Amino acid sequence: GDSVTQMEGPVTLSEEAFLTINCTYTATGYPSLFWYVQYPGEGLQLLLKATKADDKGSNKGFEATYRKETTSFHLEKGSVQVSDSAVYFCALLLGSARQLTFGSGTQLTVLP
Amino acid sequence: DAGITQSPRYKITETGRQVTLMCHQTWSHSYMFWYRQDLGHGLRLIYYSAAADITDKGEVPDGYVVSRSKTENFPLTLESATRSQTSVYFCASNVAGGPKHEQYFGPGTRLTVT
Repeated sequence: GDSVTQMEGPVTLSEEAFLTINCTYTATGYPSLFWYVQYPGEGLQLLLKATKADDKGSNKGFEATYRKETTSFHLEKGSVQVSDSAVYFCALLLGSARQLTFGSGTQLTVLP
Repeated sequence: DAGITQSPRYKITETGRQVTLMCHQTWSHSYMFWYRQDLGHGLRLIYYSAAADITDKGEVPDGYVVSRSKTENFPLTLESATRSQTSVYFCASNVAGGPKHEQYFGPGTRLTVT
């Protein structure tokens, strides 16, 4: 079946460091890809998306590029802030379904 | 309040008891979802509903029951709670005709089964 694999956490960085969170997927078709973020005590929020190969999603300084050849959608940010501390989830959506498939999540902690 | 709310936010119950988690949304979204979040598993879909009186199973439905008599409410019932159902439960909604991925999540209910 369809699945999403994320790098295991937790990830701890100093403020202004570069962030990469790896995400790869397995899908029977051609999925749309997403990153969701969960701040402490809150539900998930959509961070960015990409719907076709080579699309780059971006929001709040975060970026991710849909790489069909490597089935990847890695999340990057050039300079993280303490306020970026959260759990990040990679997810995919396939075809006409509304069922998102989530990765296991990566906890990010940014220290001042 | 506008948006999607869940109650209770925290619940402790004993094995074998019935417990119902409530979800309410004020947007009149057609689609609603229940997920459970467990360490190492991310979010897994339990049940979803496309409209009032229409529900369907997700990835992990066993031990759960849902109903949707009104568009705005989507309660999740554990008929006989087990320790393996200790988890954080999230409700979400999605508007028909809108982007399928754009799900709006509630704040979650942390359930502990002792």
